Amino acid sequence: SQTIHQWPATLVQPVGSPLSLECTVEGTSNPNLYWYRQAAGRGLQLLFYSVGIGQISSEVPQNLSASRPQDRQFILSSKKLLLSDSGFYLCASGPNTEAFFGQGTRLTVV
Amino acid sequence: KQEVTQIPAALSVPEGENLVLNCSFTDSAIYNLQWFRQDPGKGLTSLLLIQSSQREQTSGRLNASLDKSSGRSTLYIAASQPGDSATYLCAVNDYKLSFGAGTTVTVRA
Repeated sequence: SQTIHQWPATLVQPVGSPLSLECTVEGTSNPNLYWYRQAAGRGLQLLFYSVGIGQISSEVPQNLSASRPQDRQFILSSKKLLLSDSGFYLCASGPNTEAFFGQGTRLTVV
Repeated sequence: KQEVTQIPAALSVPEGENLVLNCSFTDSAIYNLQWFRQDPGKGLTSLLLIQSSQREQTSGRLNASLDKSSGRSTLYIAASQPGDSATYLCAVNDYKLSFGAGTTVTVRA
């Protein structure tokens, strides 16, 4: 089965600083990749998805961007973080059959 | 746009009682539906995957049903245990995964 690696697990960043979260996938090739955000006490919101290298679709307008430089690598970035970017970020692979999730990155913007 | 609703939002039961968690979705043109478990501060663990052609799926004490035509799925957990306490999320795959807000379950010892 697939394994999704995300790092770091936790991150505290000041407002206005840049962000880079990385996600890598093992156990599959050419997966669909997804970035979700979960705000405290709320459901998962789809931010970006990618069906292949260099192909990114954005679901909501925001302060974030995503890139897919390699087949099994998905990066979430920001040039300048806002307080509202705080949350729990999850990377997922799939879901042609079963979706798999990483363990997430908890981002606190201070 | 796919809308996924989970009822109830929270549930507290004594140990040993059976759990029934409901999920409804608005667009029946789906590939599959997946139930996840999330422990506080953790990622998502897949529990059951039901393909659109299936009516139900079972794993141990867990059983999930799918009625695609009416846009509903139900997760049954038999003989609940304190270790079942978590948030349970339903996700509908119509190429993208759309999530409900979850049902937070507390099983009292």
